[in-house]
Amino acid sequence: AQRVTQPEKLLSVFKGAPVELKCNYSYSGSPELFWYVQYSRQRLQLLLRHISRESIKGFTADLNKGETSFHLKKPFAQEEDSAMYYCALYTGGFKTIFGAGTRLFVKA
Amino acid sequence: NAGVTQTPKFRVLKTGQSMTLLCAQDMNHEYMYWYRQDPGMGLRLIHYSVGEGTTAKGEVPDGYNVSRLKKQNFLLGLESAAPSQTSVYFCASSYEQYNEQFFGPGTRLTVL
Repeated sequence: AQRVTQPEKLLSVFKGAPVELKCNYSYSGSPELFWYVQYSRQRLQLLLRHISRESIKGFTADLNKGETSFHLKKPFAQEEDSAMYYCALYTGGFKTIFGAGTRLFVKA
Repeated sequence: NAGVTQTPKFRVLKTGQSMTLLCAQDMNHEYMYWYRQDPGMGLRLIHYSVGEGTTAKGEVPDGYNVSRLKKQNFLLGLESAAPSQTSVYFCASSYEQYNEQFFGPGTRLTVL
């Protein structure tokens, strides 16, 4: 079955600490993976996608096909990173599967 | 550019009432989507459209209908609302099906 799992509903870290938001997927094809973010009182927006292999706002995500993971990482968390993060998997046929989301809270 | 807009932002319905949610985008995107988001779950696709005059069912289409009479608008209708349709509804659009989706601010619907 095609599935996206974000095991942590809430992740709380101190400012300046490293952060890793986990995402695991189940898909037999070649995955197209995305991270979306929703800041407080803002709409859901794309943070990054694996195919672009870029760093956005200090965040990176590496696709690990062996472990079927696409974890989002940032070496030094900032308070403004506090938000809801969603991992998403495009499976073709206009279907994108979203994980349940992880709320990141960065404490001062 | 407004991007993707949704009307209304909030609505409370009684069981059996009907309503239409309006989504509009000004980015000339071909692809538009309606999702619902329930607590503890990811967004689930209700219906989508690949262009003006076309619609198709997504993952959870029952109880909903859609129309795309104009390229920039995608309407989601509830003919007879049920409490199970209490949710936050998001509209999105994209240039290509595999590209970034641009989301509206959401509509919070409560069915009593």
